[in-house]
Amino acid sequence: NAGVTQTPKFRVLKTGQSMTLLCAQDMNHEYMYWYRQDPGMGLRLIHYSVGEGTTAKGEVPDGYNVSRLKKQNFLLGLESAAPSQTSVYFCASTFGGAGGQSSYNEQFFGPGTRLTVL
Amino acid sequence: DQQVKQNSPSLSVQEGRISILNCDYTNSMFDYFLWYKKYPAEGPTFLISISSIKDKNEDGRFTVFLNKSAKHLSLHIVPSQPGDSAVYFCAASDGSSASKIIFGSGTRLSIRP
Repeated sequence: NAGVTQTPKFRVLKTGQSMTLLCAQDMNHEYMYWYRQDPGMGLRLIHYSVGEGTTAKGEVPDGYNVSRLKKQNFLLGLESAAPSQTSVYFCASTFGGAGGQSSYNEQFFGPGTRLTVL
Repeated sequence: DQQVKQNSPSLSVQEGRISILNCDYTNSMFDYFLWYKKYPAEGPTFLISISSIKDKNEDGRFTVFLNKSAKHLSLHIVPSQPGDSAVYFCAASDGSSASKIIFGSGTRLSIRP
């Protein structure tokens, strides 16, 4: 049981380049999330998904797109990277929907992806 | 405007003593509060939580206190151990769908020998 995994762990991009971050979970969780962590600002929600084929915007969605084609995977895309997107990105997942225990389920986090945009 | 605030970026406590981490919130709709712990190069891990219908929740060395009238919660760690050195995030949920939570900026706790 690997939990939540993220690929890649590190990446350096040039301004304007594109990339996709992959998140995978093997806990059969319905809900998945992408956060970014910046110094002095905690974790901020970028996008989230409450099930396969569904996505929604979080607090800071601009410049990012997401897809949830399979229940176990949640992809975060940067179409044209900017230096302001230099950050550490965390994926998380939790129970939800019909299989959930409550509205306040513990979120399980991946190890993070450190992205630098030059 | 930050809805969850941790005003102390860092805290240093001697091993064996009590560590007290504080958190303030502004949204009166928050009804569930959580603390997450984060080591360097790892993702946050859930530590302890409390519902707004309670004023205290205890789990081993960790206790969370909630003062709704002051919109304030605190995490007490007794006794503090070297392995407790980490960044602690306070978080809150307003019960909306998708189990979304809002995080504070974190407090770096250092336990000195």
